[in-house]
Amino acid sequence: QVQLLESGGGVVQPGGSLRLSCAASGFPFSNYGMHWVRQAPGKGLEWVAFMRYDGSNEYYADSVKGRFTISRDNSKNTLHLQMNSLRAEDTAMYYCAKDRKVAGKPSLDSWGQGTLVTVSS
Amino acid sequence: DIQMTQSPSSLSASVGDRVTITCRASQSITTYLNWYQQKPGKAPKLLMYAASSLQSGVPSRFSGSGSGTDFTLTISSLQPEDFATYYCQQSYSMSYTFGQGTKMEIK
Repeated sequence: QVQLLESGGGVVQPGGSLRLSCAASGFPFSNYGMHWVRQAPGKGLEWVAFMRYDGSNEYYADSVKGRFTISRDNSKNTLHLQMNSLRAEDTAMYYCAKDRKVAGKPSLDSWGQGTLVTVSS
Repeated sequence: DIQMTQSPSSLSASVGDRVTITCRASQSITTYLNWYQQKPGKAPKLLMYAASSLQSGVPSRFSGSGSGTDFTLTISSLQPEDFATYYCQQSYSMSYTFGQGTKMEIK
């Protein structure tokens, strides 16, 4: 079955950097687009970034554009999120999620358990 | 960006009740609308996609409807395991905005 395992979270000072990873298994990773979604403590879900199956296009929420970079290594079935210039408001659980299109309509059909990022001095 | 607004923000209901959650988009998204369920400490789970299609393995007491800007998620008879937070999400434009969530609590 589909498994997504995030890692790389931790405590970082404001202005610092962190690189998250998501190890995928149980499906042909190179055939699917992948997302990052985050959730601040006690708050709702916020979509963060998306990369197409072949890495040809990437998209970002305005709140992270210019600071975060999504990437993938299809040879290692791994998704990454490089986070720079971190701010307190970036504190959240970060989930990776698999994209799926049915009749051209996308949804996020599988999710990892998340990795917690805390930005604090 | 497309804004998604859910109502109510919270809902108190009893086992066996029929409940409906509403989601409104700030512009037409045709049927590019998904619903997710999230329980405390857990990752979200896809319930409905394309506004009215039931995700595999999801009980048939869940149903979705709507198109354009107005959508609903209905649970025909609430079960104890349905008490959770529900989110709508648009996938029409590449910001994939979520609604703010509806927390369903036991009355």
